[in-house]
Amino acid sequence: AQSVTQLDSQVPVFEEAPVELRCNYSSSVSVYLFWYVQYPNQGLQLLLKYLSGSTLVKGINGFEAEFNKSQTSFHLRKPSVHISDTAEYFCAVSEGNTGKLIFGQGTTLQVKP
Amino acid sequence: GAVVSQHPSWVICKSGTSVKIECRSLDFQATTMFWYRQFPKQSLMLMATSNEGSKATYEQGVEKDKFLINHASLTLSTLTVTSAHPEDSSFYICSAKGGLNEQFFGPGTRLTVL
Repeated sequence: AQSVTQLDSQVPVFEEAPVELRCNYSSSVSVYLFWYVQYPNQGLQLLLKYLSGSTLVKGINGFEAEFNKSQTSFHLRKPSVHISDTAEYFCAVSEGNTGKLIFGQGTTLQVKP
Repeated sequence: GAVVSQHPSWVICKSGTSVKIECRSLDFQATTMFWYRQFPKQSLMLMATSNEGSKATYEQGVEKDKFLINHASLTLSTLTVTSAHPEDSSFYICSAKGGLNEQFFGPGTRLTVL
C-alpha cells in the first residue's frame, strides 16, 4: 500500500530565509506526486506536481520540488519565504489510475517577521 | 479554469437532522469526484470516490448508509450526512478529477452539529 510521510509537523522560519519541507513516500509502482497548500478554512490549492520527465519541478509562488526515486522523496523548497507563505502544506501521492490521493500528515509553515 | 465550488460553505444543524452538501465542477466535466473529511489540525481523509452514474466507492470504515453520495451528472456530486450527530462535525472537502490524475479541490464546507 502507498503511504506518505511528512517528517516535520511544524517548520518555523524567518521571512526571506530559505525553507525545505520534507516528504517521503512508499510505493511499489510508479507514482504521481503532488504538493498542495491550504490556507485557514479553505480548500487545497495545487503548488506543483511530478508526473514524469525532469525530476526538478517548478510550481507557483516560487516553490519547487525535486523527485528522488532512490530516496523515495519529494521535498518542497523555496529560496526566500514571505509572511504570506504561512499555511499548511500537504504532500500527496496518486494511486495508479484511480486518481485517489494519499495525503501526508501535513506541515505547518510559520513565517516570522 | 478548473474551478470547483461547494455549497454551503458552512452549516449548523441540530443532532438527528440530515444535511446535504453540493460539489460542482464549474467549467469542466468530472466523471469522478472525491469526498474528504478533515478534522482540526489533521490531514485529509478520503471518505469515498463518486463516479457519475454509478454507486460510490467508500473507504474502509466509512458508513455508506450515513454518508450518502449521489453523482447524478458530470458536474454535480452531493454528500448527505444522515441523522447527523456532534461527532460528525468536521470540515468536508470535495475534489473533481481532471486529466493526468490531478484533482481540483472545492473550498470546503464546515459542518457543526449541535
